[in-house]
Amino acid sequence: QLQLQESGLGLVKPSETLSLTCTVSGGSISDSSYYWAWIRQPPGKGLEWIGSIYYTGSTYYNPSLKSRVTISVDTSKNQFSLKLISVTAADPAVYYCARGNCSSTTCYPDSWGQGTLVTVSS
Amino acid sequence: SYELTQPPSVSVSPGQTARITCSGDALPKRYAYWYQQKSGQAPVLVIYEDSKRPSGIPERFSGSRSGTMATLTISGAQVEDEADYYCYSTDNSGHYRVFGGGTKLTVL
Repeated sequence: QLQLQESGLGLVKPSETLSLTCTVSGGSISDSSYYWAWIRQPPGKGLEWIGSIYYTGSTYYNPSLKSRVTISVDTSKNQFSLKLISVTAADPAVYYCARGNCSSTTCYPDSWGQGTLVTVSS
Repeated sequence: SYELTQPPSVSVSPGQTARITCSGDALPKRYAYWYQQKSGQAPVLVIYEDSKRPSGIPERFSGSRSGTMATLTISGAQVEDEADYYCYSTDNSGHYRVFGGGTKLTVL
């Protein structure tokens, strides 16, 4: 059974870089049928797509976050990672990693990690 | 940017039918997806490609799409269905992958 587990620092200082890693088990990150995504949810608010990556390294980023986001993949470790630079008070959230699937017209997350809370404070 | 619009809340009594709507300009050409999120938990996919149920999702969950609106229907809603529900889709270019604002379903 597929499992995704987020890890990383839960507290980041303003203007610094948020770094998270998602470890995939029960499946291969190199499976060409899927892609891998990061999604976040500020406390008490809705879901926001951050970006995604294919095992080949091809990425897609939310246009509103694109200038600050980098997603990378390490197939040897079955992991993918998120870096968000210059964090501000708008960035605290539960950050989820997810597996993505694609239909004929739309790509969507079909399996999620449990999420990790990231706080921004000095 | 692109937006999907959902009602903030829906309330039904146990056994009644709950309907949650999602409107978006690109929905005539893009599938809608629905996620259930219970308090403190990660979202779970309950409907994909407008009307398909993943394995393990009860038959009382169904979905439909017509024009610019998609609808999640829970027939005979149960207390354990209380959760936030989010629709998801993309704009016509595929550049914007968005969730609706979420609908809090109360069953009591």
